[in-house]
Amino acid sequence: EDQVTQSPEALRLQEGESSSLNCSYTVSGLRGLFWYRQDPGKGPEFLFTLYSAGEEKEKERLKATLTKKESFLHITAPKPEDSATYLCALPNLRDSNYQLIWGAGTKLIIKP
Amino acid sequence: NAGVTQTPKFQVLKTGQSMTLQCAQDMNHEYMSWYRQDPGMGLRLIHYSVGAGITDQGEVPNGYNVSRSTTEDFPLRLLSAAPSQTSVYFCASSYLPGSGDYGYTFGSGTRLTVV
Repeated sequence: EDQVTQSPEALRLQEGESSSLNCSYTVSGLRGLFWYRQDPGKGPEFLFTLYSAGEEKEKERLKATLTKKESFLHITAPKPEDSATYLCALPNLRDSNYQLIWGAGTKLIIKP
Repeated sequence: NAGVTQTPKFQVLKTGQSMTLQCAQDMNHEYMSWYRQDPGMGLRLIHYSVGAGITDQGEVPNGYNVSRSTTEDFPLRLLSAAPSQTSVYFCASSYLPGSGDYGYTFGSGTRLTVV
């Protein structure tokens, strides 16, 4: 069964303290992995798409990487405004290309 | 502003009532979908559409109907509201897979309470 697991469930960091969030997956064939950010009371906001192992993408203090079994979202010198829930998702090939399997998210809290 | 617009933002229904959640996008996206998000359950797909006149069921379709008469609009109908449908509902749109970077654009959500 296709699965996406995110860890940790929650992460508390001091401002400036770098760390990484993990998204591990088991799918029959990788055709993209998505990272989203969700602020309280808002819809998820698209961050990155990664298509193949070894691929990396960056946006401000965020850097997403992909291997054959997992993806990491590295946060460098985070600021309080980086506090949010980060979600990863992959297409469900078993049923169709149009359904995503979502992780439960990692809630990131950056303390000033 | 380009994006996905959902209305209403908040709604309280009595058990048995029906209502329609509206969703409109102005990005000419072929794909549109409805999700519900519950604490501890994550995002679950209700229905989706790959173009006008084409809809299909997601993971949790029972109690909901959709239609897609235009590219822009994708309303979600609750037929007879139940307390189990209390949730936050999100509409999302994107280009079809293979059409480029098909990251979803989400609306701001509708918080629905059924009493």
